[in-house]
Order: sequence, then C-alpha cells, then structure tokens
Amino acid sequence: QKEVEQDPGPLSVPEGAIVSLNCTYSNSAFQYFMWYRQYSRKGPELLMYTYSSGNKEDGRFTAQVDKSSKYISLFIRDSQPSDSATYLCAMVGGADGLTFGKGTHLIIQP
Amino acid sequence: GAVVSQHPSRVICKSGTSVKIECRSLDFQATTMFWYRQFPKQSLMLMATSNEGSKATYEQGVEKDKFLINHASLTLSTLTVTSAHPEDSSFYICSARVGTGLRNQPQHFGDGTRLSIL
Repeated sequence: QKEVEQDPGPLSVPEGAIVSLNCTYSNSAFQYFMWYRQYSRKGPELLMYTYSSGNKEDGRFTAQVDKSSKYISLFIRDSQPSDSATYLCAMVGGADGLTFGKGTHLIIQP
Repeated sequence: GAVVSQHPSRVICKSGTSVKIECRSLDFQATTMFWYRQFPKQSLMLMATSNEGSKATYEQGVEKDKFLINHASLTLSTLTVTSAHPEDSSFYICSARVGTGLRNQPQHFGDGTRLSIL
C-alpha cells in the first residue's frame, strides 16, 4: 500500500460545479497537509495548508482534514476553466520532505 | 512573497555531460531546501534535503555521488547531475521552506528543470 493514495483522474466537470478532490494516507506520523496546484511544465503552487482536523476556507477553496479516517479533501466552489490543472495533495510528519499523491488531473469544461 | 526561482528551465545535452541546476529563494532566506524528481504521470519524489552550511541528506536509493548538492548560502542551493545518462532524464524541482527550518512551515516550489539526456 502506498503512503498516499490519490485518484489520478482525469476528472471532468462543467463550469460552475463544485469539485471534490480527495487523498487517503496510511502513515499516522503525517501531521501537516497541503494542497498544491500544478500547471503543465510548471512547479507546484501552494493552495492550502492545514494542520488540525476540520475545515479551512480560503475564497473558493475549502480544505478538510479527518485524521481519524486518514482522509483529506479539497473542495472548489464555482469552478472556472482556469482551475483546470493537476491538483496534488502533500503531507509531512516526522521527516522533513513532503510525501505527495500522484495528483488528480482536473478539467473544467466551459 | 515566498518566490523560488529555478534555472535553467530546460536542458538538452549528450550522455556523459554534467548538468548544474540552481535554486534560489528570491525574497526570503531558506535554511532548508529540497530537491524532488518527477517522472511522467508520477508523484514528485523527494531526492534530498539540503541544509545551508552542511551536507545534504539523501533519500534511500538516490546516489549522492551522482547528484551533488551544494547549499552555500541562505538563498542558493545547486544540484549537479554528474555524468548524466538517458535514465536521468526527468523533471527536477526544488523547493524552499520559509522560516527557520521548522517542519510546520509549507514549502514553496520553483518551476522545475526539464532535463533531457540524449
């Protein structure tokens, strides 16, 4: 079992829809959780950063962490074509480097 | 804020060549920088952790003699791929952590270097 599981997609939704992206993990040592957005041939861009279980909202984005279930989510409201990208979950715990999911390729159809 | 610049963005060279990639934190000091590698349709995989003024820490399976890391200042880390071969072709990305190296600070990434070895 991989440490972080993320469905690679592609996930295609119409413009304006609510998008739900998810990751599961197996390592209880992970304490900090991040969502990055990556456009083709670019480096990852930090979107959300959370620590405790619960929700964190920033504009159209909401990050949700459930440590008891080892499950994290990113919700995007009022999705736009410009949101089309690959979304990576990442987490860090006892070690310094981030452990990433494979990324979900999201397509927002105009 | 928290801008990380990586150079060059693209390298194409012959097998056996050594290639140096630079990673700079432009508007903050980074005691810790990280180097990742990403193969097509795969996750970013941590290669090494670079600490200013000390030796880098390499992940299991990463050859330290092949991937030389130097972190001589608080704003610059370099990765040199020595005697590169076609199997080293990949997307190399650096990141830097804002603050004093605490694990609870998020990492910010450069735009990566696409390395192609012919």
